[in-house]
Amino acid sequence: ETVMMQSPVTLSVSPGERASLSCWASQSVTSNLAWYQQRPGQAPRLLIYGASTRATGVPARFSGSGSGTEFTLTISSLQPEDFAVYYCQQYNNWPPYTFGQGTKLEIK
Amino acid sequence: EVQLVQSGAEVRKPGESLRISCKGSGYDFPRFWISWVRQMPGKGLEWMGRIDSSDSYSNYSPSFQGHVTLSVDRSVSTAYLQWTSLKASDTAMYYCVRHSSSSSELDFWGQGTLVTVSS
Repeated sequence: ETVMMQSPVTLSVSPGERASLSCWASQSVTSNLAWYQQRPGQAPRLLIYGASTRATGVPARFSGSGSGTEFTLTISSLQPEDFAVYYCQQYNNWPPYTFGQGTKLEIK
Repeated sequence: EVQLVQSGAEVRKPGESLRISCKGSGYDFPRFWISWVRQMPGKGLEWMGRIDSSDSYSNYSPSFQGHVTLSVDRSVSTAYLQWTSLKASDTAMYYCVRHSSSSSELDFWGQGTLVTVSS
């Protein structure tokens, strides 16, 4: 099983600032990596797939990078609605598909 | 508009059976896989298994193999997640999710079904 790890567990950032979230895989997942956003009380939402492609309707301030085992989600200028939990997920080595444990992005 | 609409919240006792549903609309249902994802209270996301909506072929996570069963009814564009004997530890939110294409990312999520198992 491919283990996904995210860092940090919690990230405190002020609105308007930049946030970088990290995700590592225990073995290569090539570019088969997605990022999801989950706001409180809501279902998760696809943000990024293929490590760097924004899903339909996702603002340009969200960007993804990386390949192999190291990935980053960057939010260039945080808006109030961006404070949420973010999960990475690999879909290269399955079953099972595996998620990271999540990073909570909170207002500083 | 693609939608996955899940059945409502359920309360059951340990040992009871349960089937929850996920109805797809706005797309060609048989063409897309459906996965189920568990989220225990205050915890992260866990992939349970996926089903090919065209032929009902399924894969399960080792963590859930033998405890749940996935199925589909193509005539009503609906996927199901079933338990024959619930445990208290099955208390969680369950999401059905569509794969954008085979073995790919999860592009549309249902609203979730909260299952509570308590004596």
